[in-house]
Amino acid sequence: SAVISQKPSRDICQRGTSLTIQCQVDSQVTMMFWYRQQPGQSLTLIATANQGSEATYESGFVIDKFPISRPNLTFSTLTVSNMSPEDSSIYLCSVATGRYGYTFGSGTRLTVV
Amino acid sequence: GENVEQHPSTLSVQEGDSAVIKCTYSDSASNYFPWYKQELGKRPQLIIDIRSNVGEKKDQRIAVTLNKTAKHFSLHITETQPEDSAVYFCAASISGNQFYFGTGTSLTVIP
Repeated sequence: SAVISQKPSRDICQRGTSLTIQCQVDSQVTMMFWYRQQPGQSLTLIATANQGSEATYESGFVIDKFPISRPNLTFSTLTVSNMSPEDSSIYLCSVATGRYGYTFGSGTRLTVV
Repeated sequence: GENVEQHPSTLSVQEGDSAVIKCTYSDSASNYFPWYKQELGKRPQLIIDIRSNVGEKKDQRIAVTLNKTAKHFSLHITETQPEDSAVYFCAASISGNQFYFGTGTSLTVIP
């Protein structure tokens, strides 16, 4: 299965600032996904990042708040913009590998103060 | 979009007993149903999955059943061990694309 390097692993940010999270995959993948996991909660899909096209956002998530880049088949970034304490969460990237396989990055634990 | 419900939210069992977690889904087009185990502070890890052309799948102490008509699927863990303690998530997907996760079950195995 694919190996995903996600960084930063954690960060503490001031409200009103932005943080960009990076995911690097060791193989080419068509689709990458970004999830949010709030403390003690489930994983919520933010958006699907496709190479060469705009990301597809789930209901409740908008591009202005969570802009995504997908410059090639091995890399994607998610930016959390104009942060507020409610954005404190774990953000995970994931990729589909093999036949329906799904691998997660190690996550970014974001705290907004 | 897909809606996945999961029960119970917490489950405590004695070591050696069985644990059962149940999920329902709403989109009849979903055809892939993985189960993930997440230990504290770690990423979710796939433990077993089932596709819609199969009714049951077993891997050692873990089994999953699927009822497509009723749109529900279940995880069964037998002979539970303390290391099985974790949060378990079910998910539903159409052909391995976007995964929609259940709300999670915190399983505690009491030695």
